[in-house]
Amino acid sequence: NAGVTQTPKFQVLKTGQSMTLQCAQDMNHNSMYWYRQDPGMGLRLIYYSASEGTTDKGEVPNGYNVSRLNKREFSLRLESAAPSQTSVYFCASSGTSGRAGGTDTQYFGPGTRLTVL
Amino acid sequence: GNSVTQMEGPVTLSEEAFLTINCTYTATGYPSLFWYVQYPGEGLQLLLKATKADDKGSNKGFEATYRKETTSFHLEKGSVQVSDSAVYFCALVFPGFQKLVFGTGTRLLVSP
Repeated sequence: NAGVTQTPKFQVLKTGQSMTLQCAQDMNHNSMYWYRQDPGMGLRLIYYSASEGTTDKGEVPNGYNVSRLNKREFSLRLESAAPSQTSVYFCASSGTSGRAGGTDTQYFGPGTRLTVL
Repeated sequence: GNSVTQMEGPVTLSEEAFLTINCTYTATGYPSLFWYVQYPGEGLQLLLKATKADDKGSNKGFEATYRKETTSFHLEKGSVQVSDSAVYFCALVFPGFQKLVFGTGTRLLVSP
């Protein structure tokens, strides 16, 4: 049982390049999330998927797109990377599908450290 | 809007000292409250949680009590160890929503 896995662990891009961050979970969770972590700002939600087939914007969605490929996988794409997207990216998953009262714990992956030059 | 405020770090302690990390929140309604811990180079792990007023969450010697009257969820441990050195995040979520709102994190450094 690997939990939440992310690839790659590290990536360096040049401004304007594109890339996709991969995330997979093996806990049969309905909901998945992408966060970015920047010094002094905690974690901020980029996008989330309450259930397979749905995605919604979070706090900081500009410059990103997501795909919920199936129940296990949720990818984050940077179409044209910018230095402001240098950050550590975390994927997370949780068990509920957004119904009232859902407060399930979110389980986090190990993160992807992205640098955009 | 909803927000979480944590004390600035780093918090530097000697082994076996008493730890308090303050967390207060602003929210309309009654959120669930969490403490997450991030060890160096790793993702976040749930440390403890409380879902209603006066609930006490506890794990690994850490405790926090949901205080509605003071809108606080302070983290405490009676005797810290070097292995507790990490960044601690306070967070809240509302029933019906799944978007965790995080504080900025507090780094704890414990020396032998």
